Amino acid sequence: IVMTQSPATLSVSPGERATLSCRASQYIGINLGWYQQKPGQAPRLLIYGASTRATGIPARFSGSGSGTEFTLTISSLQSEDFAVYYCQQYNNWPTFGQGTNLEIK
Amino acid sequence: EVQVVESGGGLVQPGGSLRLSCSASGFTLSSYTMHWVRQAPGKGLEFVSSISPDGDGTYYADSVKGRFTISRDSSKNTVHLQMSSLRVEDTAMYYCAKDVHSSWYLFDPWGQGTLVTVSS
Repeated sequence: IVMTQSPATLSVSPGERATLSCRASQYIGINLGWYQQKPGQAPRLLIYGASTRATGIPARFSGSGSGTEFTLTISSLQSEDFAVYYCQQYNNWPTFGQGTNLEIK
Repeated sequence: EVQVVESGGGLVQPGGSLRLSCSASGFTLSSYTMHWVRQAPGKGLEFVSSISPDGDGTYYADSVKGRFTISRDSSKNTVHLQMSSLRVEDTAMYYCAKDVHSSWYLFDPWGQGTLVTVSS
């Protein structure tokens, strides 16, 4: 299953909303996770089951979607949120999207 | 605290071998599938290999099948990735990760990674 994320780079000002998209090449139900990766760090799980926040993840992060179209929304960007975000399907053999680089505008 | 820590990376020549280790703490290793995921410099994430909770099931990406072997030592709470016939394209940060829920193939937490560089 090929995962396609858009856009590749998203420029947003602090305090604004960011919307990241992820599309699967075939049906994956809600077997979709989102990760955040900051420079020099390992990825961190944010969302699983398309919309369930992982332990300790702030409420400003929300996920939605099912089937083949998914969205990660960050409601009010904080300085620590600027990072690369990856989606990953786990409906079968796990595959990742190519990432969206969320940068400060 | 649930934690995994990788070790064993380094510089190796093409065709050489390397053994990575992942030390787990804060959870029962035998209850979870464990995974290796890699990231080439400046690139995205690629799933490499997994081993089932009982160690009987092992899975590999096509890109490493026949060259890498995953194993676990539950008595030492450790998972290993034996890499042989290494290629330049295997150069990457290798992350060990615990499965979120036994065998969902969803990864959390991840270790800090160990860097493998294949170069002559």
